[in-house]
Amino acid sequence: GAVVSQHPSWVICKSGTSVKIECRSLDFQATTMFWYRQFPKQSLMLMATSNEGSKATYEQGVEKDKFLINHASLTLSTLTVTSAHPEDSSFYICSASAGAKNIQYFGAGTRLSVL
Amino acid sequence: GENVEQHPSTLSVQEGDSAVIKCTYSDSASNYFPWYKQELGKGPQLIIDIRSNVGEKKDQRIAVTLNKTAKHFSLHITETQPEDSAVYFCAAISHTGNQFYFGTGTSLTVIP
Repeated sequence: GAVVSQHPSWVICKSGTSVKIECRSLDFQATTMFWYRQFPKQSLMLMATSNEGSKATYEQGVEKDKFLINHASLTLSTLTVTSAHPEDSSFYICSASAGAKNIQYFGAGTRLSVL
Repeated sequence: GENVEQHPSTLSVQEGDSAVIKCTYSDSASNYFPWYKQELGKGPQLIIDIRSNVGEKKDQRIAVTLNKTAKHFSLHITETQPEDSAVYFCAAISHTGNQFYFGTGTSLTVIP
């Protein structure tokens, strides 16, 4: 199956700093990438959808200025959590999709801990 | 929009028994239904999926059934093994868009 790499797997940062998370599709070109947030023992919550070369579409309630998404190429999307605060601590997961079949392949997730 | 409900939220079975997880959806336009397995601290992994033009799909010990009329689909795991223990998510997606609507997840525990 298709491989999606997400980096880093775990990051700890101080409150007020910014953190960048990378999502790469290793063996296919991802026309669309998705960013999710997951709280413990809960389902995945879609934050935004991004298509290569265009602005991301954010879900209601997600601050686009706080969660900056860049999808500069067909194999790379980044999520930057700006001025992170403890309430931003969570598990962030990306997924990538290609073609018309709508199959999403997920990265391994990034655990963000803001002190 | 689509609303996906998943039951049960937790499920414990003895090793070797079968496990069944059920999901219902609300949007009749949904036509793709994947199932994901998520182990602790990891991202979801696609284990099986089904499209609306078929009623059942099987892959070794895993099968998925779809009832379009009733708008529900189920995951069946036979001969369960301890390594099947994980959280399972169903999802539904409409041909009109590419957004997944996830169920709330089922935590499956297989007792050795």
